[in-house]
Amino acid sequence: ERVMTQSPATLSVSPGERATLSCRASQSVSRSVAWYQQKPGQAPRLLIYGASTRATGIPARFSGSGSGTEFTLTISSLQSEDFAVYYCQQYNTWPPGNTFGQGTKLEIK
Amino acid sequence: EVQLVESGGVVVQPGGSLRLSCAASGFTFGEFTLHWVRQAPGKGLEWVSLISWDADRTYYADSVRGRFTISRDNSKNSLYLQMDSLRTEDTALYYCVKVSPRYSINWYYFDSWGQGTLVTVSS
Repeated sequence: ERVMTQSPATLSVSPGERATLSCRASQSVSRSVAWYQQKPGQAPRLLIYGASTRATGIPARFSGSGSGTEFTLTISSLQSEDFAVYYCQQYNTWPPGNTFGQGTKLEIK
Repeated sequence: EVQLVESGGVVVQPGGSLRLSCAASGFTFGEFTLHWVRQAPGKGLEWVSLISWDADRTYYADSVRGRFTISRDNSKNSLYLQMDSLRTEDTALYYCVKVSPRYSINWYYFDSWGQGTLVTVSS
């Protein structure tokens, strides 16, 4: 089973600054990684798939990069609405299992 | 616009049963694999089960296998989760989730989520 490990668990950043979130796979998952944003009381929302492709309607300040085992989600200039929990997910494994990372909470500094 | 609306979550005693439903609209229902993903209070996301677009194949997390049964009715654009022998650790918000791409069961990302239905298992 490919395990996804996110770091840090909590990230404190000021509005307007850049945030960099990391996700590491225990084995190569090629570029089969997605990122999700979850705000309190809301369902997760797809941000990025294929490691770097923004989903429909996602602002350009969100970008994803990486391949193999190391992946990064970057938010270039944090807006107030970006403070949330972010999850990575790999989809390069079969049979299915829990493919989510444990989440990174992005909080206001 | 894709819409997924879950229902059926209630408070149930340990050992009890429950059936969750998910009503879908805004896409060609019979072309997509569907999943249930749950989230315990204050915790992360946990995959529960999937069913292929034609209902031919189903898979379950180890934690629910033998107790939960996923099904779908493509004529009604509906997804279900029958939950038996419930345990306190099954307490969670249960999300109905659509994946992309279509006709894919082993390579997918979760592109649309319902708002969830809360299942509480408690005596």
